[in-house]
Amino acid sequence: KAGVTQTPRYLIKTRGQQVTLSCSPISGHRSVSWYQQTPGQGLQFLFEYFSETQRNKGNFPGRFSGRQFSNSRSEMNVSTLELGDSALYLCASSLAGGQLNTEAFFGQGTRLTVV
Amino acid sequence: AQSVTQPDIHITVSEGASLELRCNYSYGATPYLFWYVQSPGQGLQLLLKYFSGDTLVQGIKGFEAEFKRSQSSFNLRKPSVHWSDAAEYFCAVALRSGNTGKLIFGQGTTLQVKP
Repeated sequence: KAGVTQTPRYLIKTRGQQVTLSCSPISGHRSVSWYQQTPGQGLQFLFEYFSETQRNKGNFPGRFSGRQFSNSRSEMNVSTLELGDSALYLCASSLAGGQLNTEAFFGQGTRLTVV
Repeated sequence: AQSVTQPDIHITVSEGASLELRCNYSYGATPYLFWYVQSPGQGLQLLLKYFSGDTLVQGIKGFEAEFKRSQSSFNLRKPSVHWSDAAEYFCAVALRSGNTGKLIFGQGTTLQVKP
């Protein structure tokens, strides 16, 4: 079965712009989480969605937002881009997350470069 | 403070030699425990996980990990390293309490394999 699909794979944006990243989870998975990976901060949790509801949120400014659709696909949006937002953004899907099943499968990521 | 620590930022081993990557966590209760591997420019692949039961866990690619409650550790091992094992390795935990699949990652260990 198909894995987690993230699009696009690479993006170059200018400071001040906004960007939308997409994630299609594994079929049947209802939980989608997003992570930011940078050389300095490592892997940091952004937010988690389950059944179209945000279930958990990391310590990021309000410029970072997300949503989940009824087919479990998820998007994250970053507004007013800053140079420090340059990172690899990873999406992970799991059956349900939480106490039931926390085995997460990751996509290949979207490499965002802000210039 | 709650944390995941991988004490070794970079490790170099010779091909065919044994490998042990260390991971310690600091949480009140035993969390779910994971090891992921990341090749350059790629997403994360799950190597193995510990939820409960046998404290010696077998994973893919010949890896195993041992959970030691008394030491709050979950070290990854492989008896004979192959050149293709060169990658970055992440230890991660997910809390058992609360309805969330959020993963908390260590800083990662980069493995270099000498021929």
